[in-house]
Amino acid sequence: NAGVTQTPKFRVLKTGQSMTLLCAQDMNHEYMYWYRQDPGMGLRLIHYSVGEGTTAKGEVPDGYNVSRLKKQNFLLGLESAAPSQTSVYFCASRSLREGRGELFFGEGSRLTVL
Amino acid sequence: AQTVTQSQPEMSVQEAETVTLSCTYDTSESDYYLFWYKQPPSRQMILVIRQEAYKQQNATENRFSVNFQKAAKSFSLKISDSQLGDAAMYFCAYCTGTASKLTFGTGTRLQVTL
Repeated sequence: NAGVTQTPKFRVLKTGQSMTLLCAQDMNHEYMYWYRQDPGMGLRLIHYSVGEGTTAKGEVPDGYNVSRLKKQNFLLGLESAAPSQTSVYFCASRSLREGRGELFFGEGSRLTVL
Repeated sequence: AQTVTQSQPEMSVQEAETVTLSCTYDTSESDYYLFWYKQPPSRQMILVIRQEAYKQQNATENRFSVNFQKAAKSFSLKISDSQLGDAAMYFCAYCTGTASKLTFGTGTRLQVTL
């Protein structure tokens, strides 16, 4: 089982460049989430999706966009990267049927913006 | 907004000893879940234990147990017979709402010494 897969694992960008992080899950989960992790701040929710074609803002959505065109994929986009977006990004997914059960996380993507 | 507070940035325990990590949360909800996640140096987020707020009995998973005090909004994690492999960052998290978004604390880094 692949579970939740994030690509790329590492990326270095220059300020102003754009990029997309891809999250893919093979567990047929309805809910998907993007978090960022910064030292001393834990994980903070950027955007989330409760189903194909739907997305919603989380705690820190500014500077990011997302899309969920297919149930198994959740894309996180940075249109114009800023140094403040240097972080480790985690994707997670969860099954609707299991109530407020466990989130399954990807391995994280380290993004550095110079 | 819900908040989760972990007041111990770092903790240290000797191998085979017991350690307790603290977590408090603030909410006006009556139905919610609480989690402890472990993040080793590999960066992977691993579920340690889960507690449903409506259950009075404290959750236990092998060497890991919680002390859930609903009135005090406290959710501490006890690790018994500590092992070197327990060394990691531990995050307390709170979950509620239809989208079951997790709100994380800032984490406690646990060191295990010989």
